[in-house]
Amino acid sequence: KAGVTQTPRYLIKTRGQQVTLSCSPISGHRSVSWYQQTPGQGLQFLFEYFSETQRNKGNFPGRFSGRQFSNSRSEMNVSTLELGDSALYLCASSLRGVEHGYTFGSGTRLTVV
Amino acid sequence: AQRVTQPEKLLSVFKGAPVELKCNYSYSGSPELFWYVQYSRQRLQLLLRHISRESIKGFTADLNKGETSFHLKKPFAQEEDSAMYYCALGTGGSYIPTFGRGTSLIVHP
Repeated sequence: KAGVTQTPRYLIKTRGQQVTLSCSPISGHRSVSWYQQTPGQGLQFLFEYFSETQRNKGNFPGRFSGRQFSNSRSEMNVSTLELGDSALYLCASSLRGVEHGYTFGSGTRLTVV
Repeated sequence: AQRVTQPEKLLSVFKGAPVELKCNYSYSGSPELFWYVQYSRQRLQLLLRHISRESIKGFTADLNKGETSFHLKKPFAQEEDSAMYYCALGTGGSYIPTFGRGTSLIVHP
């Protein structure tokens, strides 16, 4: 079966711009979570969506937002980009939630210049 | 607040030696614990979860609630085990899933 697909793989943006990342979960998985991965902070939880509703949210500013569509696909948006937003953004899907284990995508590498 | 601690950033062993990657957690409820692995140039993938009590690629992990630990063990390391290993605490409800900072395992020939 197809895995978790994230697009695009790489992005370069300038400060102040906004960006939208996309994630298609494994078919049948209703939970989609987003993580930011950096060498300094490791894996930081952004938010989780389940059946189009945000179920959990990490400690990130309001510039980070997301949504989930009826087909479980999810998007993440970052507005007013800052240099510190440069990171690998990982999407993970799960049948019903993190307690069931994640399947991760390959990530989107965002560079803010 | 829940927390996952992996005290070793790097663990270096020789092929055939036993391996133990440490993971300690703090959580007031009943934990759901996982080990994830990331091989070079591959995506992060689930290795095992405590609730399934299985052995994957020769690795096992036992939940010790008294010591709040979930150490990952393998009796004889192989070169292909070289990877980054993350311990994770996942709980349902409104708790935020938490990953440790990871341990890089290097198995020398």
